[in-house]
Amino acid sequence: NAGVTQTPKFRILKIGQSMTLQCTQDMNHNYMYWYRQDPGMGLKLIYYSVGAGITDKGEVPNGYNVSRSTTEDFPLRLELAAPSQTSVYFCASSRTETNEKLFFGSGTQLSVL
Amino acid sequence: GQNIDQPTEMTATEGAIVQINCTYQTSGFNGLFWYQQHAGEAPTFLSYNVLDGLEEKGRFSSFLSRSKGYSYLLLKELQMKDSASYLCAVLDSNYQLIWGAGTKLIIKP
Repeated sequence: NAGVTQTPKFRILKIGQSMTLQCTQDMNHNYMYWYRQDPGMGLKLIYYSVGAGITDKGEVPNGYNVSRSTTEDFPLRLELAAPSQTSVYFCASSRTETNEKLFFGSGTQLSVL
Repeated sequence: GQNIDQPTEMTATEGAIVQINCTYQTSGFNGLFWYQQHAGEAPTFLSYNVLDGLEEKGRFSSFLSRSKGYSYLLLKELQMKDSASYLCAVLDSNYQLIWGAGTKLIIKP
């Protein structure tokens, strides 16, 4: 049972480059999320999706884009990477949005230099 | 604004008991979660409280007082593997999770 699979684990980008963080889950969860975690701060929601074809902005969406073409996949696209996007990124999923716990991917450590 | 407060760091001794506090001010309340996060790893679910009172789950217990905007996570019989960060998160009226910065717990032998 794989749960939430997130790739890559580490990546270094130059300023202005683009990349896609991949996230897939095999639990048939409707809800999927992208968070970033910076030192000394709580997790910040970037984007979320309540089902295939539906996405919405979270607290810090600028500089990112997402798509949700299938229930399983929820990739995060960084366009024109900036040093402020240096962070640890987590993908997560849940069955519903209410009292359901989140299942997290293993995270991506991204550095933009 | 919405705010979750937790101590930044705590130290405790192996075999002892530690209480990690969390206070919150959010627009509405639909539940409070505790997650454990070992260094370099993803958060994992520990507990969920939506009603006042104490929920016990093995060595870990979580308490909630909605009137005081307060929760705590109680860890008993501490083990070295409990060294981790503990994240408090509140589900607000829009069912958005608001996260605290986490409490780093250091366990000493």
